[in-house]
Amino acid sequence: GENVEQHPSTLSVQEGDSAVIKCTYSDSASNYFPWYKQELGKGPQLIIDIRSNVGEKKDQRIAVTLNKTAKHFSLHITETQPEDSAVYFCAASGPGNQFYFGTGTSLTVIP
Amino acid sequence: DTAVSQTPKYLVTQMGNDKSIKCEQNLGHDTMYWYKQDSKKFLKIMFSYNNKELIINETVPNRFSPKSPDKAHLNLHINSLELGDSAVYFCASSRDGRYGYTFGSGTRLTVV
Repeated sequence: GENVEQHPSTLSVQEGDSAVIKCTYSDSASNYFPWYKQELGKGPQLIIDIRSNVGEKKDQRIAVTLNKTAKHFSLHITETQPEDSAVYFCAASGPGNQFYFGTGTSLTVIP
Repeated sequence: DTAVSQTPKYLVTQMGNDKSIKCEQNLGHDTMYWYKQDSKKFLKIMFSYNNKELIINETVPNRFSPKSPDKAHLNLHINSLELGDSAVYFCASSRDGRYGYTFGSGTRLTVV
């Protein structure tokens, strides 16, 4: 089955700096890669996604890049703000309408 | 108007008890899921239902049983609760697997 690894597990940045979270996956058949943000006491919320026919996608301060050959995908957050502090999960599509999640990155933005 | 709603939000119960968690989605999605999130925040799939048919059942103890009376509901029943069952349980739904999940807000289960 699919194996998704996510790094780093914790990340602290100064407000205004950029944050990068990286994931790798093992199943070359995976073709859809969503990213989720989980705030304290809440469920994960989809923030951006990318499909295998696209190399990069951007939505305001967040962007995702995908390298299918290397089986890498990354989340980039620019001009970080304190409200970006949360746990971020990457995921990769698998069989049976299932997603395989990374182990999460706890991002802290220091004001 | 909540898209995926779970009840209860908190559940504290004694070992050996039987409990249920309810989930409803009003998005018209075809597939619903239950995930368990442990203390390290790791999300592990437990079940998914597509058109009232169980399509995935990972290595979950048979004390856990999903029940889906219709496409909009997927309830989770847990028998003979154990201390290790303490976790946050999330319900989610998706359109057809080509799109990301919509998660509920979670049920924090504490077994004492």
